[in-house]
Amino acid sequence: DTAVSQTPKYLVTQMGNDKSIKCEQNLGHDTMYWYKQDSKKFLKIMFSYNNKELIINETVPNRFSPKSPDKAHLNLHINSLELGDSAVYFCASSQDGGATRHGYTFGSGTRLTVV
Amino acid sequence: KQEVTQIPAALSVPEGENLVLNCSFTDSAIYNLQWFRQDPGKGLTSLLLIQSSQREQTSGRLNASLDKSSGRSTLYIAASQPGDSATYLCAVKSDYGGSQGNLIFGKGTKLSVKP
Repeated sequence: DTAVSQTPKYLVTQMGNDKSIKCEQNLGHDTMYWYKQDSKKFLKIMFSYNNKELIINETVPNRFSPKSPDKAHLNLHINSLELGDSAVYFCASSQDGGATRHGYTFGSGTRLTVV
Repeated sequence: KQEVTQIPAALSVPEGENLVLNCSFTDSAIYNLQWFRQDPGKGLTSLLLIQSSQREQTSGRLNASLDKSSGRSTLYIAASQPGDSATYLCAVKSDYGGSQGNLIFGKGTKLSVKP
């Protein structure tokens, strides 16, 4: 009964490859997010998405693209992977943009290593 | 632009001590503030969420306070245990549009409780 689940948990790939990370939430939330945690453990928003609006952090390279087949899924696709993309990527979800009493719920993260 | 700062960056205490973790934010226009715990190599676990209209929230040995006007929150941990060792993250849901309207994180306080 995992609330926010991500796959894979670990991903090792070569530079230049294209990869996807999947995320699913079973909480019925209306908004999903991708966060990146860098080597210094700092968490930073990459995207937020509901069925009406995609908001992109201006610092995110356009090699990164979120894809949402339905309200419960927000996958992260990365083209032409670079060494600097190595990080832990967290998916999260919330209701009403996180303004309700339940706040945000996070997945367990995907550790991406680019070699 | 909202910025979240956590002090101290790291804290080591003997078991049984009461301790306080500090979080400050630069803009008081927030919806809520959420405290998370992150264990090494793991995802984020939500501990407490305080709405902007609230002053504090309690869960077991944890108590979080919010002083919105001064831009501060504290997380109080009573009778600390070795199992409390983790990184504690403070995050603010800002009242902005665009990517800054999402959850903005501090860099965390790494807590070590020694037996």
